[in-house]
Amino acid sequence: AQSVAQPEDQVNVAEGNPLTVKCTYSVSGNPYLFWYVQYPNRGLQFLLKYITGDNLVKGSYGFEAEFNKSQTSFHLKKPSALVSDSALYFCAAPDRGSTLGRLYFGRGTQLTVWP
Amino acid sequence: DAGITQSPRYKITETGRQVTLMCHQTWSHSYMFWYRQDLGHGLRLIYYSAAADITDKGEVPDGYVVSRSKTENFPLTLESATRSQTSVYFCASKQGGFNSPLHFGNGTRLTVT
Repeated sequence: AQSVAQPEDQVNVAEGNPLTVKCTYSVSGNPYLFWYVQYPNRGLQFLLKYITGDNLVKGSYGFEAEFNKSQTSFHLKKPSALVSDSALYFCAAPDRGSTLGRLYFGRGTQLTVWP
Repeated sequence: DAGITQSPRYKITETGRQVTLMCHQTWSHSYMFWYRQDLGHGLRLIYYSAAADITDKGEVPDGYVVSRSKTENFPLTLESATRSQTSVYFCASKQGGFNSPLHFGNGTRLTVT
């Protein structure tokens, strides 16, 4: 079974500091991994995905994620946080057992960036 | 503009009433999904559809009905609303298989009194 876990419900960081939102995975075969962001009263928005290739994936809004196979992790990072990055972040992995590829989401991590 | 729209954005209904949440996408994506989002549970899949007239159950389908007579529409009906169905409902779509990202609507906040 595919699953992802986000070990932190909340992450707080000061503006200008680097941020990390953690995700670990348990999937069979080569993992495909996604990050989504949800702003208040909005739907989830796609940030980036890892399919294969470089372990550092760049995405929208200056975010990047580092895939680490030995640690089964896919942490989301940004070198310098902005107050506007405050949102709910979800890690996700598709069900590789079907062409539909339904996504399994983590519980979400609330990121707060204070001025 | 192309996109995925949900209506209504907010809905209050009474226990036992039937209510339908609408979802419309303009991309002609093959796959469409309904999720509910609840505190402590994250996102849970209710129903999904691979194409017009093809639908299947997700993790929490009880009490819900879907249809997909046209590719662009995927309405979700609560046949007899219960308080436990108070939630935020998200519709999503994608074109490809397991490596394609989902595109979400802005959700419908449903309150069942």
